[in-house]
Amino acid sequence: GAVVSQHPSRVICKSGTSVKIECRSLDFQATTMFWYRQFPKQSLMLMATSNEGSKATYEQGVEKDKFLINHASLTLSTLTVTSAHPEDSSFYICSARGRDEDTFGSGTRLTVV
Amino acid sequence: RKEVEQDPGPFNVPEGATVAFNCTYSNSASQSFFWYRQDCRKEPKLLMSVYSSGNEDGRFTAQLNRASQYISLLIRDSKLSDSATYLCVVDNQGGKLIFGQGTELSVKP
Repeated sequence: GAVVSQHPSRVICKSGTSVKIECRSLDFQATTMFWYRQFPKQSLMLMATSNEGSKATYEQGVEKDKFLINHASLTLSTLTVTSAHPEDSSFYICSARGRDEDTFGSGTRLTVV
Repeated sequence: RKEVEQDPGPFNVPEGATVAFNCTYSNSASQSFFWYRQDCRKEPKLLMSVYSSGNEDGRFTAQLNRASQYISLLIRDSKLSDSATYLCVVDNQGGKLIFGQGTELSVKP
């Protein structure tokens, strides 16, 4: 089946620094990828839709200048959390849209201290 | 009102029990419906798609009632390994998936 690789799986960073998360579709090309955030005991909340070769579309309330998304190829999308703050600590998950379904990466647990 | 609503549980059941989860959605134009399973601190994984005619996959049965905007998942003969959070997911016609809060299931020996 389709595989999506997400790295890193876990990261701890200091307030004010930036963190880049990579999402790769390993055995298929994905024109569209999605970035979600999940706080404890809550649902996955869509942050943005990443389209290859064009600007990402952000959901209401998500700051595009803080969460930079780059989808430069059909197999790679990156999310950069800039000037991270403790309230950005969360579980970030990407997904890649294949022919039949969305396949999720294994997630990145970000802790900002 | 949330776009997708689920009873958060937890549902605590003994092995072998039958358990049913319910979900309602608000967008009557939605066309695609899914149940995902999420284990603690892991990514969600597709359990099954839900079709208007209802569909079954082994011990799992999913049903859709478009008129009531209601989706269900039935698990028969529960196993310990079924313990997880079950997410009801609906597309919003804009190509986006909307996730319910999830229903936590704990199967005890």
